[in-house]
Amino acid sequence: EAQVTQNPRYLITVTGKKLTVTCSQNMNHEYMSWYRQDPGLGLRQIYYSMNVEVTDKGDVPEGYKVSRKEKRNFPLILESPSPNQTSLYFCASTSTGGTDTQYFGPGTRLTVL
Amino acid sequence: AQTVTQSQPEMSVQEAETVTLSCTYDTSESDYYLFWYKQPPSRQMILVIRQEAYKQQNATENRFSVNFQKAAKSFSLKISDSQLGDAAMYFCAYRRGGATNKLIFGTGTLLAVQP
Repeated sequence: EAQVTQNPRYLITVTGKKLTVTCSQNMNHEYMSWYRQDPGLGLRQIYYSMNVEVTDKGDVPEGYKVSRKEKRNFPLILESPSPNQTSLYFCASTSTGGTDTQYFGPGTRLTVL
Repeated sequence: AQTVTQSQPEMSVQEAETVTLSCTYDTSESDYYLFWYKQPPSRQMILVIRQEAYKQQNATENRFSVNFQKAAKSFSLKISDSQLGDAAMYFCAYRRGGATNKLIFGTGTLLAVQP
Protein backbone atom coordinates (compact mmCIF):
# COMPACT_ATOMS: atom_id res chain seq x y z
CA GLU A 1 0.00 0.00 0.00
CA ALA A 2 1.33 3.41 -1.00
CA GLN A 3 1.79 5.47 2.10
CA VAL A 4 3.67 8.10 4.03
CA THR A 5 4.33 7.30 7.66
CA GLN A 6 5.24 9.70 10.45
CA ASN A 7 6.40 9.06 13.98
CA PRO A 8 5.51 9.92 16.60
CA ARG A 9 1.86 10.83 16.06
CA TYR A 10 1.70 12.78 19.30
CA LEU A 11 4.50 14.40 21.25
CA ILE A 12 4.59 16.63 24.30
CA THR A 13 7.99 18.04 25.15
CA VAL A 14 9.63 20.93 26.96
CA THR A 15 11.39 23.99 25.65
CA GLY A 16 14.92 23.31 24.46
CA LYS A 17 14.82 19.52 24.34
CA LYS A 18 15.92 18.37 20.90
CA LEU A 19 13.50 16.17 19.01
CA THR A 20 13.14 14.46 15.66
CA VAL A 21 9.97 13.61 13.79
CA THR A 22 10.54 10.86 11.27
CA CYS A 23 8.92 10.60 7.86
CA SER A 24 9.14 7.70 5.45
CA GLN A 25 7.51 6.97 2.09
CA ASN A 26 7.37 3.71 0.13
CA MET A 27 6.59 5.11 -3.32
CA ASN A 28 10.10 5.97 -4.49
CA HIS A 29 9.09 9.62 -4.72
CA GLU A 30 11.70 12.25 -5.43
CA TYR A 31 9.93 15.16 -3.78
CA MET A 32 9.21 15.40 -0.08
CA SER A 33 8.02 18.27 2.09
CA TRP A 34 7.23 19.24 5.63
CA TYR A 35 4.27 21.47 6.44
CA ARG A 36 2.93 22.89 9.65
CA GLN A 37 -0.77 23.56 10.19
CA ASP A 38 -1.95 26.30 12.52
CA PRO A 39 -5.51 27.54 13.11
CA GLY A 40 -6.44 30.36 10.78
CA LEU A 41 -3.24 29.95 8.75
CA GLY A 42 -3.77 26.75 6.81
CA LEU A 43 -0.71 24.67 5.99
CA ARG A 44 2.64 26.30 5.35
CA GLN A 45 5.71 24.64 3.92
CA ILE A 46 8.70 24.40 6.25
CA TYR A 47 11.31 22.61 4.13
CA TYR A 48 11.33 20.53 1.01
CA SER A 49 13.61 18.14 -0.79
CA MET A 50 13.81 17.43 -4.50
CA ASN A 51 16.02 14.38 -4.12
CA VAL A 52 18.69 12.78 -1.96
CA GLU A 53 21.02 15.39 -0.48
CA VAL A 54 18.97 18.22 -2.05
CA THR A 55 16.97 20.27 0.43
CA ASP A 56 15.78 23.86 0.59
CA LYS A 57 13.81 26.22 2.77
CA GLY A 58 10.10 26.69 2.44
CA ASP A 59 8.13 29.61 3.83
CA VAL A 60 8.66 29.06 7.58
CA PRO A 61 12.05 27.33 8.07
CA GLU A 62 13.23 29.12 11.23
CA GLY A 63 13.93 26.73 14.08
CA TYR A 64 13.86 23.60 11.93
CA LYS A 65 16.38 21.38 10.18
CA VAL A 66 15.96 18.51 7.75
CA SER A 67 18.12 15.92 6.06
CA ARG A 68 17.66 13.61 3.07
CA LYS A 69 20.29 10.90 3.22
CA GLU A 70 18.01 8.24 1.74
CA LYS A 71 15.27 8.68 -0.81
CA ARG A 72 12.56 7.24 1.40
CA ASN A 73 13.29 9.20 4.60
CA PHE A 74 12.98 12.89 5.38
CA PRO A 75 13.25 13.60 9.13
CA LEU A 76 12.34 16.96 10.66
CA ILE A 77 14.63 18.09 13.45
CA LEU A 78 13.89 20.69 16.10
CA GLU A 79 17.21 21.42 17.77
CA SER A 80 15.78 23.66 20.49
CA PRO A 81 11.99 23.60 20.40
CA SER A 82 10.04 26.62 21.59
CA PRO A 83 6.33 27.02 22.43
CA ASN A 84 5.65 28.78 19.11
CA GLN A 85 6.49 25.50 17.39
CA THR A 86 3.46 23.87 18.95
CA SER A 87 1.57 22.80 15.86
CA LEU A 88 0.31 19.97 13.69
CA TYR A 89 3.01 18.75 11.32
CA PHE A 90 2.55 16.94 8.03
CA CYS A 91 5.07 15.20 5.84
CA ALA A 92 4.17 14.84 2.16
CA SER A 93 5.69 13.22 -0.91
CA THR A 94 5.04 13.28 -4.62
CA SER A 95 6.57 12.28 -7.88
CA THR A 96 7.96 15.01 -10.10
CA GLY A 97 5.71 17.81 -11.20
CA GLY A 98 2.29 18.17 -12.73
CA THR A 99 -0.87 17.04 -11.02
CA ASP A 100 0.79 14.01 -9.49
CA THR A 101 -0.98 13.24 -6.26
CA GLN A 102 0.78 14.57 -3.19
CA TYR A 103 0.54 11.95 -0.48
CA PHE A 104 0.32 13.21 3.07
CA GLY A 105 1.33 11.45 6.23
CA PRO A 106 -1.15 11.16 9.11
CA GLY A 107 0.21 14.19 10.95
CA THR A 108 2.18 14.71 14.17
CA ARG A 109 0.65 16.78 16.94
CA LEU A 110 3.51 18.52 18.77
CA THR A 111 3.11 20.45 22.00
CA VAL A 112 6.09 22.36 23.40
CA LEU A 113 5.66 23.46 27.00
CA ALA B 1 4.11 35.84 -4.46
CA GLN B 2 1.22 33.49 -4.94
CA THR B 3 -1.62 33.60 -2.45
CA VAL B 4 -4.79 31.59 -1.89
CA THR B 5 -7.81 33.08 -0.14
CA GLN B 6 -10.79 31.28 1.33
CA SER B 7 -13.21 33.91 2.57
CA GLN B 8 -15.67 31.57 4.28
CA PRO B 9 -14.28 30.30 7.61
CA GLU B 10 -17.40 28.19 8.20
CA MET B 11 -20.29 26.91 6.12
CA SER B 12 -23.31 24.76 6.84
CA VAL B 13 -25.48 22.63 4.57
CA GLN B 14 -28.46 20.35 5.01
CA GLU B 15 -27.98 16.72 4.18
CA ALA B 16 -28.81 15.99 0.50
CA GLU B 17 -28.50 19.63 -0.51
CA THR B 18 -25.79 21.43 -2.48
CA VAL B 19 -23.12 23.73 -1.11
CA THR B 20 -20.41 25.80 -2.80
CA LEU B 21 -17.10 26.67 -1.15
CA SER B 22 -15.24 29.68 -2.48
CA CYS B 23 -11.57 30.08 -3.27
CA THR B 24 -9.64 32.82 -5.03
CA TYR B 25 -5.96 32.91 -5.82
CA ASP B 26 -3.39 35.32 -7.07
CA THR B 27 -0.56 34.40 -9.40
CA SER B 28 1.32 35.76 -12.37
CA GLU B 29 2.14 32.25 -13.60
CA SER B 30 0.41 30.77 -16.62
CA ASP B 31 1.18 27.14 -15.77
CA TYR B 32 -0.27 25.99 -12.48
CA TYR B 33 -2.56 23.50 -10.78
CA LEU B 34 -5.34 23.89 -8.26
CA PHE B 35 -6.55 21.42 -5.67
CA TRP B 36 -9.20 20.93 -3.04
CA TYR B 37 -8.25 18.88 0.01
CA LYS B 38 -10.57 17.54 2.67
CA GLN B 39 -9.44 17.19 6.29
CA PRO B 40 -11.91 15.21 8.43
CA PRO B 41 -11.60 15.03 12.23
CA SER B 42 -8.99 12.28 11.78
CA ARG B 43 -6.73 15.09 10.43
CA GLN B 44 -5.78 13.07 7.36
CA MET B 45 -5.37 15.23 4.24
CA ILE B 46 -7.45 13.75 1.43
CA LEU B 47 -7.31 15.00 -2.15
CA VAL B 48 -10.83 15.72 -3.36
CA ILE B 49 -10.30 17.16 -6.82
CA ARG B 50 -7.66 18.81 -8.97
CA GLN B 51 -7.63 21.13 -11.96
CA GLU B 52 -4.95 21.93 -14.49
CA ALA B 53 -4.96 25.62 -15.39
CA TYR B 54 -4.55 24.91 -19.09
CA LYS B 55 -7.75 22.87 -19.17
CA GLN B 56 -10.93 24.83 -19.81
CA GLN B 57 -13.18 22.00 -18.76
CA ASN B 58 -14.10 21.98 -15.10
CA ALA B 59 -12.98 18.92 -13.17
CA THR B 60 -15.60 16.56 -11.71
CA GLU B 61 -15.29 13.68 -9.28
CA ASN B 62 -18.63 12.05 -8.49
CA ARG B 63 -20.54 14.53 -6.27
CA PHE B 64 -17.69 17.04 -6.29
CA SER B 65 -17.16 19.54 -9.07
CA VAL B 66 -15.33 22.80 -9.51
CA ASN B 67 -16.10 26.09 -11.18
CA PHE B 68 -12.76 27.25 -12.51
CA GLN B 69 -12.78 30.86 -13.70
CA LYS B 70 -9.24 31.51 -14.86
CA ALA B 71 -9.63 35.17 -15.72
CA ALA B 72 -11.23 35.90 -12.37
CA LYS B 73 -8.74 33.61 -10.58
CA SER B 74 -11.56 31.81 -8.88
CA PHE B 75 -11.79 28.10 -8.06
CA SER B 76 -14.93 27.14 -6.17
CA LEU B 77 -15.92 23.64 -5.04
CA LYS B 78 -19.48 22.42 -5.37
CA ILE B 79 -20.62 19.47 -3.29
CA SER B 80 -23.90 17.96 -4.49
CA ASP B 81 -26.18 15.69 -2.48
CA SER B 82 -24.24 16.46 0.70
CA GLN B 83 -23.66 13.59 3.08
CA LEU B 84 -22.83 13.52 6.78
CA GLY B 85 -19.39 12.19 5.88
CA ASP B 86 -18.66 15.38 3.95
CA ALA B 87 -18.36 17.29 7.20
CA ALA B 88 -14.73 18.39 7.38
CA MET B 89 -12.30 21.24 6.90
CA TYR B 90 -11.74 21.95 3.22
CA PHE B 91 -8.56 23.54 1.94
CA CYS B 92 -7.98 25.09 -1.45
CA ALA B 93 -4.38 24.80 -2.67
CA TYR B 94 -2.24 26.10 -5.52
CA ARG B 95 0.87 24.67 -7.07
CA ARG B 96 2.81 26.31 -9.86
CA GLY B 97 3.98 24.28 -12.81
CA GLY B 98 7.49 23.00 -13.24
CA ALA B 99 9.86 21.31 -10.84
CA THR B 100 8.23 21.98 -7.51
CA ASN B 101 6.12 20.16 -4.99
CA LYS B 102 5.17 23.23 -2.98
CA LEU B 103 1.49 23.64 -2.27
CA ILE B 104 0.21 27.02 -1.14
CA PHE B 105 -2.89 26.57 0.98
CA GLY B 106 -5.81 28.77 1.87
CA THR B 107 -6.89 29.09 5.47
CA GLY B 108 -9.67 26.54 5.13
CA THR B 109 -13.46 26.37 5.32
CA LEU B 110 -15.08 24.26 8.02
CA LEU B 111 -18.15 22.56 6.56
CA ALA B 112 -20.92 21.28 8.82
CA VAL B 113 -23.58 18.96 7.43
CA GLN B 114 -26.93 19.08 9.23
CA PRO B 115 -29.07 15.90 9.26
